[in-house]
This record gives sequence, structure tokens and C-alpha cells, in this order.
Amino acid sequence: AAGVIQSPRHLIKEKRETATLKCYPIPRHDTVYWYQQGPGQDPQFLISFYEKMQSDKGSIPDRFSAQQFSDYHSELNMSSLELGDSALYFCASSPGTSGRGNEQFFGPGTRLTVL
Amino acid sequence: GDSVTQMEGPVTLSEEAFLTINCTYTATGYPSLFWYVQYPGEGLQLLLKATKADDKGSNKGFEATYRKETTSFHLEKGSVQVSDSAVYFCALHPYRSNYQLIWGAGTKLIIKP
Repeated sequence: AAGVIQSPRHLIKEKRETATLKCYPIPRHDTVYWYQQGPGQDPQFLISFYEKMQSDKGSIPDRFSAQQFSDYHSELNMSSLELGDSALYFCASSPGTSGRGNEQFFGPGTRLTVL
Repeated sequence: GDSVTQMEGPVTLSEEAFLTINCTYTATGYPSLFWYVQYPGEGLQLLLKATKADDKGSNKGFEATYRKETTSFHLEKGSVQVSDSAVYFCALHPYRSNYQLIWGAGTKLIIKP
């Protein structure tokens, strides 16, 4: 079965550079979520999109922005990178809004290292 | 606000031991409850879920029962294997219309041969 695809899987950037992470949801899933997971931490919700509109916003820094495109894939844009942005970034998708019982399906993550 | 509390890890057990990882929650109404597992170097995978009181989720020998009276969703397995070594996250989806999962801190499980 098709899964959530994230690219790149690994990314190394310097401080103050920019990065773009991409997420391709499972076909027919129209809701995408972004999470940040620091070492030994639980996932922290950043932002979500439903039908190409932002649906919820968590602890996403102002330096980050995201959008969902007409084909439902999503991109997380990160600017002025800081050392503390080094983390695993997960994308998840679900069919429709994450209502009762609609679990979120996670991608393998993008490991971002900021040097 | 809604929250999830898990027992702290790491939890270290011998192979074939009985496993319990405690999870309690605070939420209004009737949230949906989930256990996710994260194997070393991998992403998060849904292990099991329950959407209403007294529901029992089960998968791969793991079980958890949605107990509203004790606001708990403890994860259990009768006989663990080395391959069960991973980090286990308890999570809830709030009853009201909302989109994000509320996560516990995760419990690292180490199974020794």
C-alpha cells in the first residue's frame, strides 16, 4: 500500500540558510500535518492543512512557513535556520479531517541537521 | 487543556516478560486514543487505537483498553520479544473538532535476550 513520502530523507544545512521539506500524502488523503521531533522528545505539532487551507497551527516559528498544493502535497519552508532547528520532521496525512478514529499516517521523516 | 501522561522510561525487560506501559489522559468529552510505535531510526507507526469507552485495540500481540472511569489506556503485551524494543507513544485526538494529536512524552522499551 502507498505510504506517505517525504523528501529529502536527510538534509544538512548551515546556520542562516534555508531549507524546503516536501511531503506527498497517501492518495485520496486531503489533510496533511507537520511535526517536529527533537532528540528524545515527543513530536511537536507545527501546522496542518485541509483541502489546501491551513486548518490548525501549533508551535511553528515565524521563520517557517508551509503550504499545501493542488495535488495535496505539502512543503515546509524553513528560513534563517538555527542550530536548534536540528530535528526529525515528520509529515502525516489522513483522509478528511482527523475525526474520530481517523488515525494519522506518518512518513519516514526528514532528518535536518543544522551546522 | 487536554494532555497525556505516560510512565517514564526506559523500561527494561527480559524476553518473554509481561509488559505494561501506563498511559493516562485528561480531556473533555470522549477523545479517541492511540498508541504509536517508533523503532530505532524509523518513523511513527500506528500500533492500535480505540475510539470509545471500553473499546479494546489490539495488534501484534499488544492490547489496550479505553477506560473512561480511570481515564487510562495502558498498553500491555503478554510476552515481549527483542524486536519490540522501540519507543512507544500514547496519543489522543480531542473530542471537539480539532486537528492535532496530543502526545505523551514516549516510553523507551528495551528488551534483553
